[in-house]
Amino acid sequence: NAGVTQTPKFQVLKTGQSMTLQCAQDMNHEYMSWYRQDPGMGLRLIHYSVGAGITDQGEVPNGYNVSRSTTEDFPLRLLSAAPSQTSVYFCASSYSSGNSGNTIYFGEGSWLTVV
Amino acid sequence: TQLLEQSPQFLSIQEGENLTVYCNSSSVFSSLQWYRQEPGEGPVLLVTVVTGGEVKKLKRLTFQFGDARKDSSLHITAAQPGDTGLYLCAGGGRGSTLGRLYFGRGTQLTVWP
Repeated sequence: NAGVTQTPKFQVLKTGQSMTLQCAQDMNHEYMSWYRQDPGMGLRLIHYSVGAGITDQGEVPNGYNVSRSTTEDFPLRLLSAAPSQTSVYFCASSYSSGNSGNTIYFGEGSWLTVV
Repeated sequence: TQLLEQSPQFLSIQEGENLTVYCNSSSVFSSLQWYRQEPGEGPVLLVTVVTGGEVKKLKRLTFQFGDARKDSSLHITAAQPGDTGLYLCAGGGRGSTLGRLYFGRGTQLTVWP
């Protein structure tokens, strides 16, 4: 099972460049989200989506855009990269599991360095 | 503002010792999850607790959800080097925030042989 697939795994950008982190899931999950993980900060939510065509901001949305044209894909766009966006990015998907709460599956992460 | 506070931040113990990690909040969550993350990988779900007072066991790991659904603990009995990793707690939203998780900053556990 592929699960949640993120690409690229590693990327180095120059300040001001733009790029898109790709995320795809094959579990037909309604909910998808992007987190960034920085040392000592845990995971912080950037943007999330509760279904195709619906997105919303998380805790740290500035500098990032998302779209959800299909159930499977949830790309994260950096419009003009800044050194503060150097981080590890995780895409996640989940389904509503009723009384069990949310069961969330994470991708393997994308390491982004902005110089 | 950190909704979930984890303690301790770092824990270094010898193989065979017991340990407890705490996750506290002033907010009520619909569910509380514990994840384990190894270097270079994404977090992997260990358990979800949804009922106040609930206790779940996963081999040597015991998870408890507080009665008021604001806090949780993870207890490991007879820790082993394979338990080494970053342990994260996360509170789940409900309704319009279903699918969102609020993470603590994590507890880095190192178990020495």
